[in-house]
Amino acid sequence: DVKVTQSSRYLVKRTGEKVFLECVQDMDHENMFWYRQDPGLGLRLIYFSYDVKMKEKGDIPEGYSVSREKKERFSLILESASTNQTSMYLCASSLRGSLHFGNGTRLTVT
Amino acid sequence: GDSVTQMEGPVTLSEEAFLTINCTYTATGYPSLFWYVQYPGEGLQLLLKATKADDKGSNKGFEATYRKETTSFHLEKGSVQVSDSAVYFCALSEKKGGGADGLTFGKGTHLIIQP
Repeated sequence: DVKVTQSSRYLVKRTGEKVFLECVQDMDHENMFWYRQDPGLGLRLIYFSYDVKMKEKGDIPEGYSVSREKKERFSLILESASTNQTSMYLCASSLRGSLHFGNGTRLTVT
Repeated sequence: GDSVTQMEGPVTLSEEAFLTINCTYTATGYPSLFWYVQYPGEGLQLLLKATKADDKGSNKGFEATYRKETTSFHLEKGSVQVSDSAVYFCALSEKKGGGADGLTFGKGTHLIIQP
């Protein structure tokens, strides 16, 4: 079974802090994704990566950046956290179309 | 761009009732179609998928048929259980930059099953 692990289930950060969300997958998948999930808005793609050091913007990249230095790890970075980034963040990896998700990180920015 | 529309709910049913969650899509090509389920406090899990027209995906008593003529992929189950209470997401495949296989999701349908 594919395992996608997100390092934190819950995080509370202050406005203006730099925040790192970490995601690791164990199946050697090329593609990795970061989504945020908000009530009434569903899942929205923030960034994705199709190979090491390769990244592309999704639908809502503003205020975020990503890093993929190793194939198994994909990090989401909030350069200066704001209250409107309070959300559930979901990481996923994929091979041949099906996405495999982690359990999510619920981030609260106060 | 490609998009997915599904009923948002919440949908509330009694145990053993018949379930239908509607999903329609707009796509330029011939995408694969998926249903994902999210149980409380967890990430999304793949429930079933279909890769071409008239294919039927099935899993855990749930079924959905890829209907190209109506651009639909409705999720059905003959007799729901309390344990089926969850949020269900319809999705279609989409090629992203670099050839990455991504998904476009509907907004999710919250299903509540009462004993």
